[in-house]
Amino acid sequence: AQSVTQPDIHITVSEGASLELRCNYSYGATPYLFWYVQSPGQGLQLLLKYFSGDTLVQGIKGFEAEFKRSQSSFNLRKPSVHWSDAAEYFCAVGLSYNTDKLIFGTGTRLQVFP
Amino acid sequence: SQTIHQWPATLVQPVGSPLSLECTVEGTSNPNLYWYRQAAGRGLQLLFYSVGIGQISSEVPQNLSASRPQDRQFILSSKKLLLSDSGFYLCAWTPGGIEQYFGPGTRLTVT
Repeated sequence: AQSVTQPDIHITVSEGASLELRCNYSYGATPYLFWYVQSPGQGLQLLLKYFSGDTLVQGIKGFEAEFKRSQSSFNLRKPSVHWSDAAEYFCAVGLSYNTDKLIFGTGTRLQVFP
Repeated sequence: SQTIHQWPATLVQPVGSPLSLECTVEGTSNPNLYWYRQAAGRGLQLLFYSVGIGQISSEVPQNLSASRPQDRQFILSSKKLLLSDSGFYLCAWTPGGIEQYFGPGTRLTVT
């Protein structure tokens, strides 16, 4: 069955440090890939997406993600974290463009220390 | 531009009481609509999705139901709430295609 794994439940970084959040998927073909962010008590906001083409995609708030087919990964990165980036981050995959649903990972909670 | 609304924002209900949560999308037509539940410390669980008026697909059989009485309205209901129904309920929409956009959520506490 298709699945999405976010191996890190909780990550703590210092403000200004770099960040990488991991996401791995299990699927026979290249899926459509997404990263969402959720601040406490809020809905999810789409950070970025990968459909095809350049494997390094840029998103909002200075985030980027790189698709690596050989590793079935879509890791999220940011070169310098701000305190306002503290939130929960979800990776999601879609199996076809007209699919009815996305498969979400269990999320990674990011804590930022000043 | 498109906007998605959910209400109420928070709700405290006793066990055994009914439930009605509403989701409305503005600025689009014929969206696909989704209900998710997020329990404390967990990821998102897809409950229902709808591709059109009166068309509801259920992902998880339980004491919840969904209805879509109008094109841009999606309602989540229960006749009798359980303690395990507590959680954060999120509505999402897509104009067609795959990327989903989420509403602000409803925090439900069943006491």
